[in-house]
Amino acid sequence: DTAVSQTPKYLVTQMGNDKSIKCEQNLGHDTMYWYKQDSKKFLKIMFSYNNKELIINETVPNRFSPKSPDKAHLNLHINSLELGDSAVYFCASSQKAGLAGGEETQYFGPGTRLLVL
Amino acid sequence: QQQVKQSPQSLIVQKGGISIINCAYENTAFDYFPWYQQFPGKGPALLIAIRPDVSEKKEGRFTISFNKSAKQFSLHIMDSQPGDSATYFCAAREGYTGGFKTIFGAGTRLFVKA
Repeated sequence: DTAVSQTPKYLVTQMGNDKSIKCEQNLGHDTMYWYKQDSKKFLKIMFSYNNKELIINETVPNRFSPKSPDKAHLNLHINSLELGDSAVYFCASSQKAGLAGGEETQYFGPGTRLLVL
Repeated sequence: QQQVKQSPQSLIVQKGGISIINCAYENTAFDYFPWYQQFPGKGPALLIAIRPDVSEKKEGRFTISFNKSAKQFSLHIMDSQPGDSATYFCAAREGYTGGFKTIFGAGTRLFVKA
């Protein structure tokens, strides 16, 4: 059973197109995240949702819009794709947004490799 | 500006040797320090984590050493094996309006030679 799944695994598209990446977790977690990993492997948080509510929105262009229809799903829609959007996008989830001093394991999906031509 | 600085960028170790990866941070509000392991083509997975009130944590061949006063922490992999070849990320968690967020170091690519 896949705990955090993402579709598609690969996405090749032209500049200017709009695309979506879907994420689902079957762990019953409250919090879900989107991360971007660039070609140098640098991993940076983009968004975080807790119980369908947006709690973290890093300095991400407005072309990126997350949507959480329910606690188990967090999708990422990207408008007007640019060359610089090429990266691997990871969805992750964790049990809680985090309690002060509490431990937290983030479970990552397999990633979506986006290539913008 | 990297809030969590990780070194080295890459590391080659002989099988059976000790792999050491170092991280440093500035924000004293960080309250949790996990290490993630990532194999090629896969998502990162939690390896081991420590809280700042603990100086050392060991799980099997993996040990975190934490120096709160120096704001540094490190991962030691004892008896390194070829199967340990992966990218390792240190990370730190900070409070944020409504929750917490995890900030990752730049990663260390470890290669263990057989």
